[in-house]
Amino acid sequence: DGGITQSPKYLFRKEGQNVTLSCEQNLNHDAMYWYRQDPGQGLRLIYYSQIVNDFQKGDIAEGYSVSREKKESFPLTVTSAQKNPTAFYLCASSPRESRGYEQYFGPGTRLTVT
Amino acid sequence: GQSLEQPSEVTAVEGAIVQINCTYQTSGFYGLSWYQQHDGGAPTFLSYNGLDGLEETGRFSSFLSRSDSYGYLLLQELQMKDSASYFCAVRGTGQNFVFGPGTRLSVLP
Repeated sequence: DGGITQSPKYLFRKEGQNVTLSCEQNLNHDAMYWYRQDPGQGLRLIYYSQIVNDFQKGDIAEGYSVSREKKESFPLTVTSAQKNPTAFYLCASSPRESRGYEQYFGPGTRLTVT
Repeated sequence: GQSLEQPSEVTAVEGAIVQINCTYQTSGFYGLSWYQQHDGGAPTFLSYNGLDGLEETGRFSSFLSRSDSYGYLLLQELQMKDSASYFCAVRGTGQNFVFGPGTRLSVLP
C-alpha cells in the first residue's frame, strides 16, 4: 500500500521542550510539505522541500525546523521558540508532474503543548 | 502576496446541487486546486484547474476564470457523506502554496 504516514497521531509535551514529528512516504514523490491547521482555519505552510537536502520556508516557519536527508522522510521539529505550538500538523507529498497542485496528505499529528 | 476568499458555510439538502466559490489575489497565478476535508481527517485532493473552463470528475466539477480571478467547485447529487470542509488553494512563489479559509458544507436529509 502506497501512502504517507505520520506518527504519532496524538502528542503531548510540556512548554520548553522540542518535539519532532515524523513524516514518511513511499509514493516516490519528490516534493514534501508541512502545514499547520488551527481549529476552524485553513492550512498554513510551514516548510516545503522539492528535492533531497533542500528545503524552503513557508509563511510560518519561525520556531520550526526540518531536514530532508532521504526522499522518503521529512521530519518536522517544533522548537521551544514556537510561541503557540498546539495545533494539527499535516504532512503532504506531491508528484513532480503535478507541480505541487495535487498533494497527498498524511493522517496528521495533533500536538498539545501545556 | 496571495489571499483567497471563500464563504464560511453552505447548507444544502441531499440530491441538490451546490456551488462553492473562491476568489483569489496573487502576484502570479499558476492554477487553482480544490481539497475536501472531513472533520478530524486529512485533506484529499479533488481537482485542479490550470486553464479557464470546467473540469468534470464524476459528481464534482471545478471551474476557473483567470480574467475574473475566480473559481468554483460544483457538487451535484449531494450525499450526506459530502458534508465536509472544502478548500481552494493557489501556488505562490516557488512551491509556496496558500489555502483558502475553507467552506463548511452541511448536507441535510
